[in-house]
Amino acid sequence: QKEVEQNSGPLSVPEGAIASLNCTYSDRGSQSFFWYRQYSGKSPELIMSIYSNGDKEDGRFTAQLNKASQYVSLLIRDSQPSDSATYLCAVNMDQAGTALIFGKGTTLSVSS
Amino acid sequence: KAGVTQTPRYLIKTRGQQVTLSCSPISGHRSVSWYQQTPGQGLQFLFEYFSETQRNKGNFPGRFSGRQFSNSRSEMNVSTLELGDSALYLCASRPGTSRTSEQYFGPGTRLTVT
Repeated sequence: QKEVEQNSGPLSVPEGAIASLNCTYSDRGSQSFFWYRQYSGKSPELIMSIYSNGDKEDGRFTAQLNKASQYVSLLIRDSQPSDSATYLCAVNMDQAGTALIFGKGTTLSVSS
Repeated sequence: KAGVTQTPRYLIKTRGQQVTLSCSPISGHRSVSWYQQTPGQGLQFLFEYFSETQRNKGNFPGRFSGRQFSNSRSEMNVSTLELGDSALYLCASRPGTSRTSEQYFGPGTRLTVT
C-alpha cells in the first residue's frame, strides 16, 4: 500500500527562524510532489510543487526532493506567526497524476 | 480567475439519507478530484473525473459515487449515510492534460451525519 509519512508535530519555532518539515513516501515510482498549507477550518492551499531531484525555491519557501532516499522536505525561512498551520505533503498516486496520497500533516506553530 | 467553488458549504443529514455535493472547477480545468478529510484518516482520495469519465477511484464503498457534466462541473453522491461519513468533502481541479499538473482545492463541504 502506498504511503506518505510525516511527523505530526507540533513543530514549534520562534519568529524569524527556519522551519523544516519532512516527508517520506513509499512508492519509488512517484513522480510529482506537493506541499499544501491548511489553516484550521479551511481547505488545503498549494504552496509548492517539485518534480526533479534538488531544491526549488519560491520566496521564503524551499522544497527539496531526494528520490533515491524517497524523501521530500519543505523549508520555511524567516518564519512568521501567519505561517502557523498544518502542512500536508502529497504525492501522485498514479502515473497519470489523477490522484494524490496525502500525509497526515505536520502542525507548525510560530511564536512571536 | 475564479477558484474552485463547492456547494453547499455545510450540510446536516440523518443516518440513512442520501446527499449530493456539487463542485465547479476553475475555468478551463477539465479534471475534478474528490477527497474526504477526517481527523482520524486525514485526506483520502475518492475519485477523479476527466471529460465526463471516471479515470480513477479510491478505496471507498459503492455508496460513494460521482459524475461529471459536459461543462466540467462535478457532483458526488453518498447514499445510505452512516455516522462515519461525517467529514469535510473537498474537490480539487486541475487542467488534466498533464500528469504533473497541480491540483487546487475548493473550500469544501462540511457534512455532519446525525
